Amino acid sequence: DSGVTQTPKHLITATGQRVTLRCSPRSGDLSVYWYQQSLDQGLQFLIQYYNGEERAKGNILERFSAQQFPDLHSELNLSSLELGDSALYFCASSPPWGPHEQYFGPGTRLTVT
Amino acid sequence: GENVEQHPSTLSVQEGDSAVIKCTYSDSASNYFPWYKQELGKGPQLIIDIRSNVGEKKDQRIAVTLNKTAKHFSLHITETQPEDSAVYFCAASILENRDDKIIFGKGTRLHILP
Repeated sequence: DSGVTQTPKHLITATGQRVTLRCSPRSGDLSVYWYQQSLDQGLQFLIQYYNGEERAKGNILERFSAQQFPDLHSELNLSSLELGDSALYFCASSPPWGPHEQYFGPGTRLTVT
Repeated sequence: GENVEQHPSTLSVQEGDSAVIKCTYSDSASNYFPWYKQELGKGPQLIIDIRSNVGEKKDQRIAVTLNKTAKHFSLHITETQPEDSAVYFCAASILENRDDKIIFGKGTRLHILP
């Protein structure tokens, strides 16, 4: 158990809908990262937050947005969902002293029908 | 930007034999190279990492080597066991960068055959 929690574990929704994925980092970690994992695409970095502020952006679509709250939990919002958004979404956190040691949560499996 | 290539995409080895997974990176400024293991239904887990000031690091049956000149690094697993079956990801990043972005390879699915 990495100490990073993600909810929900599974999510099934229809095209055009909007969903919110939630992540709680390990105690003491200030950074939160979001990744998308499709079947043949490996881990695609989406976005990173550090202590409530956006720190880096990857290949995140404009339909997707995220935020990190004062209690350091983070939410990833996916809107106008398309079939191709079906994937595993992982959240990771890292400690302040070792920003590159990322600890991953169990993921949320999103299925868009 | 950084690009990480990982080979092979699938690897099958007999239990007890060694497995080697290779990665290359493009950005010569990269100086931190972690390896992650992802078991079925779980998130990736950091298993070992290496920084550019060392050429090799070992942890029990797992070792990583780094060739900065050639810009490639490898994961070596010796005396493989069934529990080593998983997807392995290499990654590269620059420790000093404030954006902390890590670029992952596409993964290697390792099968340990009985």
